[in-house]
Amino acid sequence: AQKVTQAQTEISVVEKEDVTLDCVYETRDTTYYLFWYKQPPSGELVFLIRRNSFDEQNEISGRYSWNFQKSTSSFNFTITASQVVDSAVYFCALSESNTGRRALTFGSGTRLQVQP
Amino acid sequence: GAGVSQSPRYKVAKRGQDVALRCDPISGHVSLFWYQQALGQGPEFLTYFQNEAQLDKSGLPSDRFFAERPEGSVSTLKIQRTQQEDSAVYLCASSLAQGPSYEQYFGPGTRLTVT
Repeated sequence: AQKVTQAQTEISVVEKEDVTLDCVYETRDTTYYLFWYKQPPSGELVFLIRRNSFDEQNEISGRYSWNFQKSTSSFNFTITASQVVDSAVYFCALSESNTGRRALTFGSGTRLQVQP
Repeated sequence: GAGVSQSPRYKVAKRGQDVALRCDPISGHVSLFWYQQALGQGPEFLTYFQNEAQLDKSGLPSDRFFAERPEGSVSTLKIQRTQQEDSAVYLCASSLAQGPSYEQYFGPGTRLTVT
């Protein structure tokens, strides 16, 4: 069965620090997709990125970067030079291709607090 | 707006009452999902529609939960005889197509409190 683990429950940093949010996943499927979502205090989950299991290239988007490593089943998310507006709960999620299941399996989330 | 909308945003129900939660997906999105999010937890899958067909309801916790999407657009999640353990945020999401690679766009959720 699929599973996503986000071991860091809460992280607190001071503005401009770099921070990495960890995500470890389990799946038996050979084709799968990994996602990161941001949930600000307003509650609406905001899509950040999707990676497929065949593409291990790291990705950078502005201050955000993602490190996908199949060898360790990890998909970590780094925010460079954090800002107060980055304060939110971040969720890593997994979907599988060959099981027919279309739902996302989420981790329990990491609450990031960026202090000014 | 062009996003997923849900109503009501907040609902307080007395134990034993029935409730109905509405979701308006993004226009043209084929897939629609319902998730339940308990406080401090990640969303957990309830049910999935492809157009009007309910293809997966494996996450519905009991037969008190029922969902429909009769015309392939708006969906309603109904909870009968609410219990305190039903208190949670109910999230609706839609995606453009049916494949697992398509990102899901979420609504703001309905916070249900059962007293």
